[in-house]
Amino acid sequence: QKEVEQDPGPLSVPEGAIVSLNCTYSNSAFQYFMWYRQYSRKGPELLMYTYSSGNKEDGRFTAQVDKSSKYISLFIRDSQPSDSATYLCAMSRNSGGYQKVTFGTGTKLQVIP
Amino acid sequence: ETGVTQTPRHLVMGMTNKKSLKCEQHLGHNAMYWYKQSAKKPLELMFVYNFKEQTENNSVPSRFSPECPNSSHLFLHLHTLQPEDSALYLCASSQGAARGESPLHFGNGTRLTVT
Repeated sequence: QKEVEQDPGPLSVPEGAIVSLNCTYSNSAFQYFMWYRQYSRKGPELLMYTYSSGNKEDGRFTAQVDKSSKYISLFIRDSQPSDSATYLCAMSRNSGGYQKVTFGTGTKLQVIP
Repeated sequence: ETGVTQTPRHLVMGMTNKKSLKCEQHLGHNAMYWYKQSAKKPLELMFVYNFKEQTENNSVPSRFSPECPNSSHLFLHLHTLQPEDSALYLCASSQGAARGESPLHFGNGTRLTVT
């Protein structure tokens, strides 16, 4: 079983829709949870990071962490064509004195005008 | 200018060539990383440098050789690569490799093609 599971998509939605992206994980040692956005031919860009269970909101983006279910989500409200990208979930744990980050495979999102 | 700069953006090399990838970070971070990104696979950690000291070599073949002369610069020296090494190579930095509350910041990568 992979440590982090993420549906690769692609996910196609109309402009203005609410998008829900999800990851599950198996290792309860993960402490920090992140979402990255990656446009074509660019590097991943940090969108959200959180430590505890619960919700964290930043503009149209809400990150949700449920440690009891080992499940994290990213919600995008009022989605725009500029949100079309691949979204990577990531989570880190202490390993040998440094924080080891494990990534999902990424979900490709297309927002259609 | 982006916080993490990688050069070149694209590189095509033959299997007998020697080339180097360069990364520079302008964020004042103390840890730098090399990741490999292949299609339909999660990012694979290759090397970690924390305060210029290599703290992780994730079972990477010796044809990849990292160098970190200071906390702002990181190189990846390449020699006798294989076609399966073709991928996007990403450099990242963070405040310190032991600090989980300091997330990774990535450059835009070098797209490497081995012919």
